[in-house]
Amino acid sequence: AQTVTQSQPEMSVQEAETVTLSCTYDTSESDYYLFWYKQPPSRQMILVIRQEAYKQQNATENRFSVNFQKAAKSFSLKISDSQLGDAAMYFCAYRSPRDMRFGAGTRLTVKP
Amino acid sequence: ETGVTQSPTHLIKTRGQQVTLRCSSQSGHNTVSWYQQALGQGPQFIFQYYREEENGRGNFPPRFSGLQFPNYSSELNVNALELDDSALYLCASSSRPFAGGLETQYFGPGTRLLVL
Repeated sequence: AQTVTQSQPEMSVQEAETVTLSCTYDTSESDYYLFWYKQPPSRQMILVIRQEAYKQQNATENRFSVNFQKAAKSFSLKISDSQLGDAAMYFCAYRSPRDMRFGAGTRLTVKP
Repeated sequence: ETGVTQSPTHLIKTRGQQVTLRCSSQSGHNTVSWYQQALGQGPQFIFQYYREEENGRGNFPPRFSGLQFPNYSSELNVNALELDDSALYLCASSSRPFAGGLETQYFGPGTRLLVL
């Protein structure tokens, strides 16, 4: 079964600094996608960034980028120039053609 | 463009009862997925509906069932409620199912269910 592991229950970053959230996954499939979602205290889940497993180039969305290491099954999220509005729960997710799995989440605190 | 909406926002039931949760998909979307998010955990995939048919199911017992209607809105039904069913139930809509490729899911705000 596919599993997604986020080893950092909580992380903290100073405003304007950079933080990296870790995620590893386990799968035997070749066709899959990886995602990072943000869930603010209002609880509506929002897509942050996504990556196709067959693409070697790391995805980037403005201040958010990923480090995708397919062989190591690692998919970390880097947030640059952190802002107060980045404070939330961040979930790493794995999606295959018939299933979707989320990690347990990392709570990110941004200090002013 | 109308976002994903869910009703009710909160619900309290007692063990053994049945509950129906509702989800209206975003305009133009034909796929709805349901998730259970227990407190302090990540969402767990319950099932997905694509064009009114179940199109994938997670590790949930048959007492979790669903429907999708011609307008692509959806219901999640849970029979014989157990205390462990207490959770936030999220639905998400998209314009293609999981097998359709890289597709963004748009989540609703969720329904908080408490089973006493």
